[in-house]
Amino acid sequence: AQSVTQLDSQVPVFEEAPVELRCNYSSSVSVYLFWYVQYPNQGLQLLLKYLSGSTLVKGINGFEAEFNKSQTSFYFRKPSVHISDTAEYFCAVSETGGGNKLTFGTGTQLKVEL
Amino acid sequence: SAVISQKPSRDICQRGTSLTIQCQVDSQVTMMFWYRQQPGQSLTLIATANQGSEATYESGFVIDKFPISRPNLTFSTLTVSNMSPEDSSIYLCSVGADRTVKPYYGYTFGSGTRLTVV
Repeated sequence: AQSVTQLDSQVPVFEEAPVELRCNYSSSVSVYLFWYVQYPNQGLQLLLKYLSGSTLVKGINGFEAEFNKSQTSFYFRKPSVHISDTAEYFCAVSETGGGNKLTFGTGTQLKVEL
Repeated sequence: SAVISQKPSRDICQRGTSLTIQCQVDSQVTMMFWYRQQPGQSLTLIATANQGSEATYESGFVIDKFPISRPNLTFSTLTVSNMSPEDSSIYLCSVGADRTVKPYYGYTFGSGTRLTVV
């Protein structure tokens, strides 16, 4: 079974400042990793995914993520945030083999302030 | 990636009644998933629905409460039965990409159904 932990439930940050969110996971098998965003009153939108290969992946809107296998962590970063980045961010993992289920972390509320 | 249309987008229902949520996908997909997101919380998988077989429910969820239909490869419904205020949540459907298809896009989600039970 997999488990996903996002230690920061809320992260306040000033506009144009950098942000880093951390996701830890536990799994006995290899996994795919995802970061999703949920804007207020909306569904989930995929931002980034790590499948294999380079541990640094780039997503939309300037977001990027880094997979650290030794730490079983998946870091989510943006060099300069904007007010419009205020949203809930979810980390999720899925086994690379069968199953195909997504296990979500508890989410991090990013609040960008002026 | 697939595009999902989920209906209704929101509803307010009386306790004791049932609501059926529909999920339509613009392409054929093998696996469809139903999630619940309780207020202020993360997403919890309710069940996995494959066409032509019974849905597989996660621990804590039962078919009598959340019956699921999957009549074809582009459509599924989730019914929330005999509702109580504790069922007030966002319900989302999701489809998983075929892992043989490159690039693998992972999972796509519907916009969700916001259910309030009064």
